[in-house]
Amino acid sequence: EIVLTQSPGTLSLSPGERVTLSCRASQSVSSDFLAWYQQKPGQAPRLLIYDISSRATGIPDRFSGSGSGTDFTLTISRLEPEDFAVYYCQHYDSTPYTFGQGTKLEIK
Amino acid sequence: QVRLVQSGAEVKKPGASVKVSCKASGYTFTTSYMHWLRQAPGQGLEYMGMINPRDGSTTYAQEFQGRITVTRDTSTSTVYMELSSLTSEDTAIYYCAKDPAFCPDGVCYMAYFDPWGQGTLVIVSS
Repeated sequence: EIVLTQSPGTLSLSPGERVTLSCRASQSVSSDFLAWYQQKPGQAPRLLIYDISSRATGIPDRFSGSGSGTDFTLTISRLEPEDFAVYYCQHYDSTPYTFGQGTKLEIK
Repeated sequence: QVRLVQSGAEVKKPGASVKVSCKASGYTFTTSYMHWLRQAPGQGLEYMGMINPRDGSTTYAQEFQGRITVTRDTSTSTVYMELSSLTSEDTAIYYCAKDPAFCPDGVCYMAYFDPWGQGTLVIVSS
C-alpha cells in the first residue's frame, strides 16, 4: 500500500501569500497518477489537479501541481479568501487508492 | 452539468445494514465508473469500491470485502452502496464520486474522482 504523508498539518497564512503544500509517497507513484482535492467545511471534496499537474475544469490558474516519483507539491500562487480549506493528495497508481491525511490552510 | 445527488442521513444500530443511493444526471450513466468513499468525523478520506454501470461489475477495497455491495439501476441512473454488520467505526459521511474516464465499452477507469455527491451521513449508535 502506498502511504501518502502531507506536510505541514496546518498552515496559517494571509490572503495574497504564496503557499506550497507537500505530499510524499512511501513508494514511487508511477504513470503520474496523483491528484489533489480541496475540501471546505460541510462540503464534499473538489478535484483541483490530476495527473500531477493538470488542472481540473474550472480551476483557477493560481493552482498548480508538480513533482514526480515520491515527492509532489501543490502551489497556490496568491491566496484568495476562498482558498482557506483542507487539501488532500491522492494516488491512483494501484489499489488500494489512498489519500494523504490533509493539510489545513487557515487564515492568519 | 454532471450532478450526483445522494440519499439522506441514516441512523442505524450496531449490526444493522445501511443502503445509500446516488442518482446521476448530466451524462450517459453507463459510460463512466462510479466510486464510493467515506470520511469519518474529523478524519481523512477512505476508498471503498467501484462499479461499472454498464455491466454491473464491481471491485471492492479489501477492508470492506464481504461487507459491501454496490449495485446500479440503469433505468433510473442510480448507484447503491450497501454496507452490512455496522459498528460505531462505520459512522461517517459516505460519498459517491464519478470516474472521469469515458468508457462506453470494456474496462477503463482512472480512479480519481470528479465530481462528488453531496455526501450521506451515516450514524451507527445503539
